[in-house]
Amino acid sequence: AQSVTQLGSHVSVSEGALVLLRCNYSSSVPPYLFWYVQYPNQGLQLLLKYTSAATLVKGINGFEAEFKKSETSFHLTKPSAHMSDAAEYFCAVTRAGGTSYGKLTFGQGTILTVHP
Amino acid sequence: DADVTQTPRNRITKTGKRIMLECSQTKGHDRMYWYRQDPGLGLRLIYYSFDVKDINKGEISDGYSVSRQAQAKFSLSLESAIPNQTALYFCATSGGAHNSPLHFGNGTRLTVT
Repeated sequence: AQSVTQLGSHVSVSEGALVLLRCNYSSSVPPYLFWYVQYPNQGLQLLLKYTSAATLVKGINGFEAEFKKSETSFHLTKPSAHMSDAAEYFCAVTRAGGTSYGKLTFGQGTILTVHP
Repeated sequence: DADVTQTPRNRITKTGKRIMLECSQTKGHDRMYWYRQDPGLGLRLIYYSFDVKDINKGEISDGYSVSRQAQAKFSLSLESAIPNQTALYFCATSGGAHNSPLHFGNGTRLTVT
């Protein structure tokens, strides 16, 4: 079985400040990990994905995430927040292999608010 | 035009009514999924289909059924809607590789009164 826990349902930062959204996963086999962003009244868009290559993954809009197997974490960061980053962010996991690919298990989501 | 299109975008219905949510895609993907989003719960998988003849239950399939009419079309039905099925519903597709991400539609907001 696999699961994802996102620490903090709401995160608030000032424009220009560091963004850190936390994600911990549980998986009995090597995982594939994803971060998605959801803007109001829209579907989810892929930010970045980890698929067992480089542990530091760079995504769109200046976001990146680091896979740390020892900590079972995949935290999302951005050095300097922009007002347009305000959205809900989801971490998701699936098994690497077998018939589970595509069947993502999502975290509860973290709403990011950016203050001027 | 959107790659994954869901209709309707919004629907209000009464308890006991039958409802169908439709999804079509132009990405040419074989794999299609229906997820449900509830505040604080993230997204949960209802049904998924890896090709036209392959339909599988997800983690919360009770009260729902699906039909894969063609590679590009995957519809979700609520045979007898109940208020706790009020949610935001997403259709998604993915390619055939193990690490293929999901591509989502813009969602259908369903309210059951």
